[in-house]
Amino acid sequence: ELKVEQNPLFLSMQEGKNYTIYCNYSTTSDRLYWYRQDPGKSLESLFVLLSNGAVKQEGRLMASLDTKARLSTLHITAAVHDLSATYFCAVERTPPLVFGKGTRLSVIA
Amino acid sequence: GAVVSQHPSWVICKSGTSVKIECRSLDFQATTMFWYRQFPKQSLMLMATSNEGSKATYEQGVEKDKFLINHASLTLSTLTVTSAHPEDSSFYICSAKSGASGALHFGNGTRLTVT
Repeated sequence: ELKVEQNPLFLSMQEGKNYTIYCNYSTTSDRLYWYRQDPGKSLESLFVLLSNGAVKQEGRLMASLDTKARLSTLHITAAVHDLSATYFCAVERTPPLVFGKGTRLSVIA
Repeated sequence: GAVVSQHPSWVICKSGTSVKIECRSLDFQATTMFWYRQFPKQSLMLMATSNEGSKATYEQGVEKDKFLINHASLTLSTLTVTSAHPEDSSFYICSAKSGASGALHFGNGTRLTVT
């Protein structure tokens, strides 16, 4: 059974600081996704990582994938308040996605 | 980009009634659609997988007679919560997998409140 573990589950960080969210998964998979969810809203796709060593960046967010370690990271650079949200990683298990528990990020001044 | 329309966005119903939620892929054909449920401050839990023209596959612990799923066409899947109870109150999200690209797209979710 595929398990996806995210940590931390809660993260409070100051504006301007950097931090990393980790996503570990238990079995091999084809794709890894990162999503953002704002309160009361559905999921917004951030990144799709397809291969070992994949790195994608969008603004202050950068995601990477190490399939050998079964680990993905979401790095936040110089956080701003607008990044406050819950971030989920999800791993594709032919075919549905299995989600991590999410990381609730709060960026404070 | 590909759009998945989910309707209604929110619904309030009384205990014992049934509620139907629609999930439509607007500009692509979805060979497979997925239904998730999300309780407050929790992750998304897969309820069932539906393929066009065949019976849905339910995850363990999900009552198939309570959560009726129909995937009658390549662009429409419906979830009917039958005889709803307050514990069914949740945020329901559908997603659709494009048959052409394999990409997965999420609907905007439906907030169900059962009183």
